[in-house]
Amino acid sequence: ETGVTQTPRHLVMGMTNKKSLKCEQHLGHNAMYWYKQSAKKPLELMFVYSLEERVENNSVPSRFSPECPNSSHLFLHLHTLQPEDSALYLCASSPGSTVSTNEKLFFGSGTQLSVL
Amino acid sequence: AQSVTQLGSHVSVSEGALVLLRCNYSSSVPPYLFWYVQYPNQGLQLLLKYTTGATLVKGINGFEAEFKKSETSFHLTKPSAHMSDAAEYFCAVSDPDSSASKIIFGSGTRLSIRP
Repeated sequence: ETGVTQTPRHLVMGMTNKKSLKCEQHLGHNAMYWYKQSAKKPLELMFVYSLEERVENNSVPSRFSPECPNSSHLFLHLHTLQPEDSALYLCASSPGSTVSTNEKLFFGSGTQLSVL
Repeated sequence: AQSVTQLGSHVSVSEGALVLLRCNYSSSVPPYLFWYVQYPNQGLQLLLKYTTGATLVKGINGFEAEFKKSETSFHLTKPSAHMSDAAEYFCAVSDPDSSASKIIFGSGTRLSIRP
């Protein structure tokens, strides 16, 4: 148990659906992240939030829309996805408010997304 | 630009044998280096990290890694493999002067343990 909880664990959606992924951390951390993990590929950083402010958007298509209402919760809203968006989506958090590359990342177990 | 290469997408060793997972990096500045492990159906967990100081870093579960600047390597080792070590292992590199958005992960190496 890492203290980062993601729901749902699995999600199947059609290309016209709208769904949301949820991440909650119980660690008192100030930074939260969305990563995409595709088979045989390196982890891709999608978004970074520090103190509820988006500090990084890594050229992610607009069909992915993040939301960070407070420092404990992070959402990823999905709409009109493509089959190539099927992947494991991982949420992570880290302690600092200034996002440092020295910090340990705490990952959730991920949401396995399948787009039909 | 930084990059990390993990040699071998799949490594298989016998229980009790030496585990060696290879990681080479490219960086224009002295980097921070990490190894993360991902067990089935779980997120990544930090095994160990190198920032400064001693180049041999010890992590959890008996793993260690050595930063070799001359070889631009940060290979992960464990003297004796256990069945519970079966997982996917990710090497990562970052620039100390940059933000967390610049943490670059490798493609991962899947470690299998034979009884």
